[in-house]
Amino acid sequence: EDQVTQSPEALRLQEGESSSLNCSYTVSGLRGLFWYRQDPGKGPEFLFTLYSAGEEKEKERLKATLTKKESFLHITAPKPEDSATYLCAVQAVNTGNQFYFGTGTSLTVIP
Amino acid sequence: NAGVMQNPRHLVRRRGQEARLRCSPMKGHSHVYWYRQLPEEGLKFMVYLQKENIIDESGMPKERFSAEFPKEGPSILRIQQVVRGDSAAYFCASSRNGGRTEAFFGQGTRLTVV
Repeated sequence: EDQVTQSPEALRLQEGESSSLNCSYTVSGLRGLFWYRQDPGKGPEFLFTLYSAGEEKEKERLKATLTKKESFLHITAPKPEDSATYLCAVQAVNTGNQFYFGTGTSLTVIP
Repeated sequence: NAGVMQNPRHLVRRRGQEARLRCSPMKGHSHVYWYRQLPEEGLKFMVYLQKENIIDESGMPKERFSAEFPKEGPSILRIQQVVRGDSAAYFCASSRNGGRTEAFFGQGTRLTVV
């Protein structure tokens, strides 16, 4: 059965304290892995798409990487405005075009 | 370029009434997804549509729920005879192409059944 597991569930960081969020997946035939950010009461905001192992994408303080089993979202020197829930989703060959989401990591950055 | 527009943002319905949720995709996008999010739970896939076609409705409850994406106008998610368990946030997303392409989400409709 396809699964997407995100860890940790919650993470509290001091401003400037770098860390990584994990998204591990077990799917048959990965078509793409997607990272989103969701603020309370809002819809998910697209961050990155990764397609193949070894690929990396960067945007400001965020960097996403992909291996054959998992993806990491690295946050460098986070700021309070980075506080949000970060969601990982996959598309797989046997699930067509639907995005299969993990339950997210809730990040709080303390000033 | 306006993003994905959902309305209403908040909807209150009494048990047994119908709820209609609307979604206008981004300009140039012909693929629409509907997701449901319950408190403390992840986003659950409901249905995937292209213009005038339902492509995948494997996540849609068999009864009371239906979706459409007509040639003209927004996509509609319809819930008949709502029950308390239907209370949730419903999100619509759109993409330019179906496969291997990121989808962009609207702000959601928060349905409360009283």
